[in-house]
Amino acid sequence: SQQGEEDPQALSIQEGENATMNCSYKTSINNLQWYRQNSGRGLVHLILIRSNEREKHSGRLRVTLDTSKKSSSLLITASRAADTASYFCATDAGGYSTLTFGKGTMLLVSP
Amino acid sequence: EADIYQTPRYLVIGTGKKITLECSQTMGHDKMYWYQQDPGMELHLIHYSYGVNSTEKGDLSSESTVSRIRTEHFPLTLESARPSHTSQYLCASSYSSGGTGELFFGEGSRLTVL
Repeated sequence: SQQGEEDPQALSIQEGENATMNCSYKTSINNLQWYRQNSGRGLVHLILIRSNEREKHSGRLRVTLDTSKKSSSLLITASRAADTASYFCATDAGGYSTLTFGKGTMLLVSP
Repeated sequence: EADIYQTPRYLVIGTGKKITLECSQTMGHDKMYWYQQDPGMELHLIHYSYGVNSTEKGDLSSESTVSRIRTEHFPLTLESARPSHTSQYLCASSYSSGGTGELFFGEGSRLTVL
């Protein structure tokens, strides 16, 4: 399995601080995606980074990908209480494969 | 906002009942998926479809069945629900010509079997 594994499992920070979550995976990928899930809701796509990309930005989000280390990180800058959610990485091996999700990082941002 | 809808959002039923969880999308996506997720846990793929009349089992064995008679509709059925089926079921869809692109998720159906 090339399941992504997020680290840490849980993260608690204050508003205004940066939050960094990491994801490791096992085999080669076509792309890696990050999703957010508010409690009891569906997942929302945040960002997709392809295997030939090293860094991508979207608003306060910054994602990096290191294919040599089979790892990715998601940085949320200037966090807000509304960022409180679980964050999942998901890997796509390409072809006819399906996305494989990691176990997620629970982020709590306190006012 | 994703145009993918799941009903019911919440369902509490007794053991042995037959249930169908509905999922519809209006985006014309070929690919649709069902994931099972226990609270605070990871998602497990239980079924997927790459188009009409195409259904495949996912990584996690499930006693549920699915059908894909129309592009926009991907219902999941449990013939005889048991307490072990208590979970949240998430439907998703995607369109991609190569590999898997962005998944659009519904809000989920939380099933409780007594």
